[in-house]
Amino acid sequence: DTAVSQTPKYLVTQMGNDKSIKCEQNLGHDTMYWYKQDSKKFLKIMFSYNNKELIINETVPNRFSPKSPDKAHLNLHINSLELGDSAVYFCASSQVHGGINNEQFFGPGTRLTVL
Amino acid sequence: DAKTTQPNSMESNEEEPVHLPCNHSTISGTDYIHWYRQLPSQGPEYVIHGLTSNVNNRMASLAIAEDRKSSTLILHRATLRDAAVYYCILRGYGGATNKLIFGTGTLLAVQP
Repeated sequence: DTAVSQTPKYLVTQMGNDKSIKCEQNLGHDTMYWYKQDSKKFLKIMFSYNNKELIINETVPNRFSPKSPDKAHLNLHINSLELGDSAVYFCASSQVHGGINNEQFFGPGTRLTVL
Repeated sequence: DAKTTQPNSMESNEEEPVHLPCNHSTISGTDYIHWYRQLPSQGPEYVIHGLTSNVNNRMASLAIAEDRKSSTLILHRATLRDAAVYYCILRGYGGATNKLIFGTGTLLAVQP
């Protein structure tokens, strides 16, 4: 059973296109996240949603729009893709937002390549 | 957010213990010390966390200095599967501080 799953695993597209990455967790968690890992392997949080409500937005360009239809899903839509958006995007979830014992579970990642 | 400093890379032999150090001299009283690791081509995974006392779990042990300005992740018997980047992260307690701020981590190589 996959705890946090992402689709697609690989995404290759042209500059200027719009694309979406989907994330689903079957852990019953309330909080979900998107992280970006760039070519230098630097991993940085982008967004956090708690029970479908945006909690963290780390000054990400507004071309990136997360959408949470329910607390088990957090999708990432990217408009007008740019070369610099090429990266691996990781979805994660945790049981609640905040608290002491709040381990985050990560998905396998989506490698986005913008040509 | 308080910062951590880790060596860029370390090497170990299989079946031997590994001690991965982390310095966090500006840690605040409410910061927890978390360790995550990222295996090649995978997402990060949680390893262990602690506040003041040493902690053990099935994956590793965490030794925290008395002044809390440093900590050491201990893998008791390294296996080839432990080759990964290990991240030491400080996380404040509660509220909007649940974000994980990843540094550059330590790349651990395990030799057979």
